[in-house]
Amino acid sequence: EAQVTQNPRYLITVTGKKLTVTCSQNMNHEYMSWYRQDPGLGLRQIYYSMNVEVTDKGDVPEGYKVSRKEKRNFPLILESPSPNQTSLYFCASSFSGGSPVQYFGAGTRLSVL
Amino acid sequence: KQEVTQIPAALSVPEGENLVLNCSFTDSAIYNLQWFRQDPGKGLTSLLLIQSSQREQTSGRLNASLDKSSGRSTLYIAASQPGDSATYLCAVGGNKLVFGAGTILRVKS
Repeated sequence: EAQVTQNPRYLITVTGKKLTVTCSQNMNHEYMSWYRQDPGLGLRQIYYSMNVEVTDKGDVPEGYKVSRKEKRNFPLILESPSPNQTSLYFCASSFSGGSPVQYFGAGTRLSVL
Repeated sequence: KQEVTQIPAALSVPEGENLVLNCSFTDSAIYNLQWFRQDPGKGLTSLLLIQSSQREQTSGRLNASLDKSSGRSTLYIAASQPGDSATYLCAVGGNKLVFGAGTILRVKS
């Protein structure tokens, strides 16, 4: 089954404790992206990757890091989480070029205390 | 900077009613426009994708239109059902999507 898998689905942590949210897709997609969703603001792009070892900032990259060492994986790293990073996070993937339809993971709800 | 607005923010209708959700965007230079559905606790499901050269797309009871010149799109849902209850999101762009805040739809049985 074609899917985008995020882990964990729920996470409660404390300010300053490094964490990683994993994202994996099994569709051989070149393009992957991270979004955060906050009430009244919709989804905003954090980082995206056009292919392995190619990443770029989205609209709200501050406080986040990403890496793309393998095509299927695109982890989101919060080196020193702060309460304003409490949000619902989504990973998405798609083929680059001819098929812009994006497939989304189920989301990770993060609370930073 | 592209901004996407969705109206209304919330909508409650009786089962069987036809309804229209609205989406507007500020920059008409878009590659495509997508409508998504979001269910609580789940990710986003792509409903319809309209390329910039197209005027509309249809899938079952759903019809989406695109008017680039006026910066507007509508999602028409025919004969609404309780199972249509969800948040509907509009997004413009290409690989980089700019989302609206969504319309929360409730269809009452």
